[in-house]
Amino acid sequence: QPVLSQPPSVSGTPGQRVTISCSGSSSNIGRNTVSWYQQVPGAAPKLLIDNDKQRPSGVPDRFSGSKSGTSASLAISGLRSEDEADYYCAVCDDYLNGVVFGGGTKLTVL
Amino acid sequence: QVRLVQSGPEVKKPGASVKVSCKAFGYNFESYGVSWVRQVPGQGLEWLGWISGYNGNTEYSQKVQGRATMTTDTSTSTAYMELRSLRSDDTAVYFCARDFHYYGLRSNSVRGFDPWGQGTLVTVSS
Repeated sequence: QPVLSQPPSVSGTPGQRVTISCSGSSSNIGRNTVSWYQQVPGAAPKLLIDNDKQRPSGVPDRFSGSKSGTSASLAISGLRSEDEADYYCAVCDDYLNGVVFGGGTKLTVL
Repeated sequence: QVRLVQSGPEVKKPGASVKVSCKAFGYNFESYGVSWVRQVPGQGLEWLGWISGYNGNTEYSQKVQGRATMTTDTSTSTAYMELRSLRSDDTAVYFCARDFHYYGLRSNSVRGFDPWGQGTLVTVSS
C-alpha cells in the first residue's frame, strides 16, 4: 500500500479541467515539497511540477500544482487527448528517510 | 541536451546479481545526484535510492538496503546500480534520474527527478 494516496483513475472530456489529489501525512507532504510526474505508456516518467507548484521549462501552463496541509493536487485545464497518461506524486518522507511515490492515477480523455 | 542513457535489458536467474549503468550527458555530473526508481510491469513507481555525483554518498530504501549498491564513475559521468540476490519480484523496469535535492528556508526537502533515463528491463526467471 503506497504511503501517498491517489485516486486510481480520473477522466474528462477535451477542454475540461480535471484535478488529481495526493494525500499524505505530516512526515511527508506536511513537511516537504511535492513533485508530479507524467508517464505515457511505454515511456519514462517526465517531471511536470516541482516544489509544490513550479513548472519546469517547457511544461505548458495548463498544468498547475497546489498544496494544503498534508494533501497536494495537480490540475490540468484545457484537457487534450495527449494528456492521457499515468500521473504520480512524489515527496521526501522524513520518517522513512527516503522518497515515496503515490500509487499513480490513470487519466482517460473521453 | 541533458539526457541519461541506460544499459540494455538483462535476464538473470534467481540468486544472481545485475548491474545497470546510467551515463549522463549535457550537464556537470558532479553537481547533481542520481536516483534509481523501479516499476514492476503494470504497477507504480518505487524509489530505490540515491547517490551523490559529487562525493558518492548514498541513501537506500529500506526495501533494498543491504542488497543494492550504487556507485559512480565521475571520469565517464556514469552511475551504476547493482542488485544482488535477485528474486522473481525484482523483475521490473529500472530507471535512473537526475536528482536535484536541496533544503528550503524551513529546512524542508525540495526534490525532483529530471530528466529520466529510458529504463532498463531486468527479468528474473529460472
